Amino acid sequence: AQKVTQAQTEISVVEKEDVTLDCVYETRDTTYYLFWYKQPPSGELVFLIRRNSFDEQNEISGRYSWNFQKSTSSFNFTITASQVVDSAVYFCALSEGYSGAGSYQLTFGKGTKLSVIP
Amino acid sequence: GAGVSQTPSNKVTEKGKYVELRCDPISGHTALYWYRQSLGQGPEFLIYFQGTGAADDSGLPNDRFFAVRPEGSVSTLKIQRTERGDSAVYLCASSGTPGREQYFGPGTRLTVT
Repeated sequence: AQKVTQAQTEISVVEKEDVTLDCVYETRDTTYYLFWYKQPPSGELVFLIRRNSFDEQNEISGRYSWNFQKSTSSFNFTITASQVVDSAVYFCALSEGYSGAGSYQLTFGKGTKLSVIP
Repeated sequence: GAGVSQTPSNKVTEKGKYVELRCDPISGHTALYWYRQSLGQGPEFLIYFQGTGAADDSGLPNDRFFAVRPEGSVSTLKIQRTERGDSAVYLCASSGTPGREQYFGPGTRLTVT
């Protein structure tokens, strides 16, 4: 069965610090997809990134970067020079290619609450 | 373009009552998902539609929960004989293709008193 673990429940950083959010996943499939979503205090989940299991290239988007390592089953997310607007709950999620009649349902971690202090 | 919309945004009902929650996906998205999010937890999968049919309902907790998508667009999640444990935020998401990113609506906060 698929599982996502976000061991950090809450993190507080001072503005402009860098912060890394950890995500470890478990799956028996060779084809799967990993995601990060942001849930600000307003509550709506915002899609940030999707990676497939065959693409281990790290990705950078502005202040955001993601490090995917199949060898350790991790998909970590780093925010550089954090800002107050980054304060939110961040969820890592996994979908498998061949489970659930091809539904690609998302299995979420419990989330990491990030507080950026001015 | 318009994102996923859900109505109502809040619903308070008494234990034992029936409720319907509505989801209007992004236009053209054939894949539609319902999730439930309890306080302090990540969303949990309930049901998946591809077109009009419920292709995967393995996440529905029991037979009090049912969902439809009769014309392949709008979906309704129906809960019979509500219980206090059903209180949660019910999220709807849609995707252009299964496996691609899912876009979420704002959710319906259900409170069963």
